[in-house]
Amino acid sequence: EVQLVESGGGLVQPGGSLRLSCAASGFTFSSYWMSWVRQAPGKGLEWVANIKQDGSEKYYVDSVKGRFTISRDNAKNSLYLQMNSLRAEDTAVYYCARGRSGYYPYWGQGTLVTVSS
Amino acid sequence: QSALTQPASVSGSPGQSITISCTGTSSDVGGYNYVSWYQQHPGKAPKLMIYDVSNRPSGVSNRFSGSKSGNTASLTISGLQAEDEADYYCSSYTSSSTLEVFGGGTKLTVL
Repeated sequence: EVQLVESGGGLVQPGGSLRLSCAASGFTFSSYWMSWVRQAPGKGLEWVANIKQDGSEKYYVDSVKGRFTISRDNAKNSLYLQMNSLRAEDTAVYYCARGRSGYYPYWGQGTLVTVSS
Repeated sequence: QSALTQPASVSGSPGQSITISCTGTSSDVGGYNYVSWYQQHPGKAPKLMIYDVSNRPSGVSNRFSGSKSGNTASLTISGLQAEDEADYYCSSYTSSSTLEVFGGGTKLTVL
């Protein structure tokens, strides 16, 4: 059974940093593109970033470029999102998802990031 | 403002059919067959219902179907059931720097 479990969310002050993790199981992690998708409270879904199987290609939505870094450790079956210079508008539930280009057959349960003073 | 335009809400009675539209441009919906639809119940993660415009993942009811005409994709749910009440989002690959976009979401109410 495919499982994606996010962790690392919490309350952080504006300008602060946070690192999200996603532990994957039930599939060959190193064979798939992985993505982060977020959802602000009461709002719609927004793709944030994705990363190729071997980590050689990474893409970001314009609003997080230069502030967020996606990475993965295939030996640990884990996906990460390092978030720096956080802003209030980054407040959202962050989902780890397997896939890219809008095709996400598997999602985690999400982790809430709240940016507030 | 979302890149893909969906109606904010639709409603229907049990047993009826409804259609949710998703309008984009030739740079996304109209240019590629990479349109997906997601169902999201409150407090839950999204669930993939349709991918590549009209394909259903294993386990998804055949009451759900997808199509596309020009720059507009559509999700049709036939034989509405109470459990279909949820938010629905479309998504598409895009040739813009954003790479992929979602619609703003449509709240389906089963009357």
